[in-house]
Order: sequence, then structure tokens, then C-alpha cells
Amino acid sequence: QQQVKQSPQSLIVQKGGISIINCAYENTAFDYFPWYQQFPGKGPALLIAIRPDVSEKKEGRFTISFNKSAKQFSLHIMDSQPGDSATYFCAASMVEETSGSRLTFGEGTQLTVNP
Amino acid sequence: NAGVTQTPKFRVLKTGQSMTLLCAQDMNHEYMYWYRQDPGMGLRLIHYSVGEGTTAKGEVPDGYNVSRLKKQNFLLGLESAAPSQTSVYFCASSYGLGDGNAEAFFGQGTRLTVV
Repeated sequence: QQQVKQSPQSLIVQKGGISIINCAYENTAFDYFPWYQQFPGKGPALLIAIRPDVSEKKEGRFTISFNKSAKQFSLHIMDSQPGDSATYFCAASMVEETSGSRLTFGEGTQLTVNP
Repeated sequence: NAGVTQTPKFRVLKTGQSMTLLCAQDMNHEYMYWYRQDPGMGLRLIHYSVGEGTTAKGEVPDGYNVSRLKKQNFLLGLESAAPSQTSVYFCASSYGLGDGNAEAFFGQGTRLTVV
């Protein structure tokens, strides 16, 4: 079963616009929620991550909003640029000694930013 | 600093053949992981290791075996390849558990086709 659901599957925005990608999770034991960015032919790379004790985290143009009661979190990309065109994955993990930070991924969102 | 290196980058196998994918990390990370990436399904965990000499099953372990004889290496084996194992395989590693240490670093991937 898919424990982390991601939407939309694909997203097209204009340069300078806001990109929003949403994720929902089922397991309330998850305590680490990263977003990964993947360019074609490359491995995923960590973009930003949040723990459930905060509702928002911002790093530059990228913001995670986290709603613990709704079991949802989202990625907002402000002032989207063509260079942001990539596949974005949300993920969730229980970070613990017996398993490290093994990740459960969402399905991915293909973001295209038009110039 | 190479990070996580996967070998080979591409491979075509015939059904029933065997092969080993090699992952090497130079960051002295305790935890290592093997994922497979399929269209529309995100990345799914195959096996993982919490330290040298240890391995454990992930979400989709059937048809795969792993070994971690040295801390820096994590091998993924396919004993008898099947077309369903056609995928892109990613190795990842992470340092520890606390904030800032849970980040998983990914290799560039191995694209495997089984015909």
C-alpha cells in the first residue's frame, strides 16, 4: 500500500509563479519529512526537510508547510524558475537506530516551469 | 569527495542471468539503502543496512540479495533476473539519527533492463 500519497502527478507553471505540491501520509509514527529534487539522469538530492514539531520551514524560495492533525505537508516554490524544472518527491521516515532514515516516497511530481 | 558511487551505470541482462550492483560511499556513513525507481511509483526500498555486517529487508525484497562486508560498500545481487526487475536502481547512505544527520545521499543510479 502507498503510505505517502503525492499530487499532482505533473505541474506546469510560468516563470515567476508559485508551484505547490501536496503530500498526505498515513503512519503517525513518521517523524521526518524531506523533499527531494531529481533532474533527469541524476539521483535524488535533498531539497528541504521538516520535523513534525514545527508547522513551517523556509529555505530561500522553498517552503514546507506541515499540518500534523491533517497528516499533510506541502512544498511551495516561490518565484519559480526554469531551472526548477525537475521531478520532486516527498518522503517520510521514522528515524531510528534500528533502521536509520529509510524513506517512504510519494509517487513524484514532474514540474515544468515555462520561461 | 565522490559521495555515493554506483557501478555499473547501465546494464542489459537476459532473463535468468545474474548480476551484482556495487555501491560505494566515502562519507563514513553507518546506514546504506537500495531503492528501485519505477514510473509513477516513486522510489521503493529493497534492502537496507544499519552497519557493517548487517542487512534487513525493505518494502520489495523478493528476488534480491544484499551484502555489506565492508562499511563503505553495499552490494545488491540479482540471482535470476526477471523482466519485472527492469528498473532504475539507486543506492543511498546516511550518517545517523539526529537533526542534520538523517539526510540520505543518493548515487547516480543504475539503469537495468532485463530482456
